[in-house]
Amino acid sequence: DTEVTQTPKHLVMGMTNKKSLKCEQHMGHRAMYWYKQKAKKPPELMFVYSYEKLSINESVPSRFSPECPNSSLLNLHLHALQPEDSALYLCASSQTLGTGREQYFGPGTRLTVT
Amino acid sequence: EDQVTQSPEALRLQEGESSSLNCSYTVSGLRGLFWYRQDPGKGPEFLFTLYSAGEEKEKERLKATLTKKESFLHITAPKPEDSATYLCAVTRGSNYKLTFGKGTLLTVNP
Repeated sequence: DTEVTQTPKHLVMGMTNKKSLKCEQHMGHRAMYWYKQKAKKPPELMFVYSYEKLSINESVPSRFSPECPNSSLLNLHLHALQPEDSALYLCASSQTLGTGREQYFGPGTRLTVT
Repeated sequence: EDQVTQSPEALRLQEGESSSLNCSYTVSGLRGLFWYRQDPGKGPEFLFTLYSAGEEKEKERLKATLTKKESFLHITAPKPEDSATYLCAVTRGSNYKLTFGKGTLLTVNP
């Protein structure tokens, strides 16, 4: 089973709202990722967790706050977003954080900021 | 700087018309080349990993090959359900970050 699940599928939020995106995997993977994807562009890496510790923050604005409560779960807390943050947010996981490891993506959350 | 270039940007085929998608890369110390399929509004679906020149992998109508400078995704007798964007990505050295190409939008007409 190579399934990564994400909730919600769609989210509409105002610029003053606080919301969270959730991601779950049960493959025993120890590396998890958040990506942002704009229309007709490839995914852009935002954050990387390895063994529940934040390994990489790709200079993402502080209005995005990641959290890894345990090895299966990954959250992305959103606060005071801008309309340009509207995008498809993808979660991915890999067995470990190693070069050459394939990443498995979830279906994504379509976020619209009004 | 690592570069991954996919061509063509878009490809329209008739059902049953075989063709190939290209992914050329300029990366020193390639550690893995990955092919993904992405349907509109969905997350990328992993297809293949290739590690070294000469390697080939197959899955149903798809076959991926790798040389020292490029990879091809061959599609044999495609069906309309093969329509999607196909993404190529690489990792190099000790850097686990995926460097993606811009993708090829494949449309297969019945």
